[in-house]
Amino acid sequence: GAGVSQTPSNKVTEKGKYVELRCDPISGHTALYWYRQSLGQGPEFLIYFQGTGAADDSGLPNDRFFAVRPEGSVSTLKIQRTERGDSAVYLCASSFSGDEQFFGPGTRLTVL
Amino acid sequence: GIQVEQSPPDLILQEGANSTLRCNFSDSVNNLQWFHQNPWGQLINLFYIPSGTKQNGRLSATTVATERYSLLYISSSQTTDSGVYFCAVSQGGKLIFGQGTELSVKP
Repeated sequence: GAGVSQTPSNKVTEKGKYVELRCDPISGHTALYWYRQSLGQGPEFLIYFQGTGAADDSGLPNDRFFAVRPEGSVSTLKIQRTERGDSAVYLCASSFSGDEQFFGPGTRLTVL
Repeated sequence: GIQVEQSPPDLILQEGANSTLRCNFSDSVNNLQWFHQNPWGQLINLFYIPSGTKQNGRLSATTVATERYSLLYISSSQTTDSGVYFCAVSQGGKLIFGQGTELSVKP
């Protein structure tokens, strides 16, 4: 079956702009996770959904970051007033009820 | 919060050699996963191993949860094994990653 997909694969934006990153989880997976990976580092947790609700958003760095999963499937990570420090690879993962997580290919965000 | 430490940070092998990568964690965890991040950035699942031993081809892994460590064994390494290997532990749903071991296998 299809794996986790993420769009766009690359996004270049200017400082101060708004961006949306999309994640399509594996069909039937109830849990969806967002992570962020900077160069030379391991991925860092941002937010986790179980169904439609955010079960844990403790990793969101500030209120410029927001994520939704309105129908319990596709999720969108939204970043307002982007800053150069937001440049990173944003990874999405999904799992069946919190078990083994499977990752998408990521979206590389560059803020100029 | 929980700390995850991987060693060694870097490893260079000649093709055909064996290696052991280690992951130490500082608290009890629900689950543990090993990943290989390929040169294109994709995280590939190797093992989901909260405890015990598993084998998959030339790779095997052992987690001793009571002593808070896991080992990844790579035998008869190939150039395609090159990349970064991450250990990640699960606590309350989210994964907490180590800093990774960067493996380079020379022909």
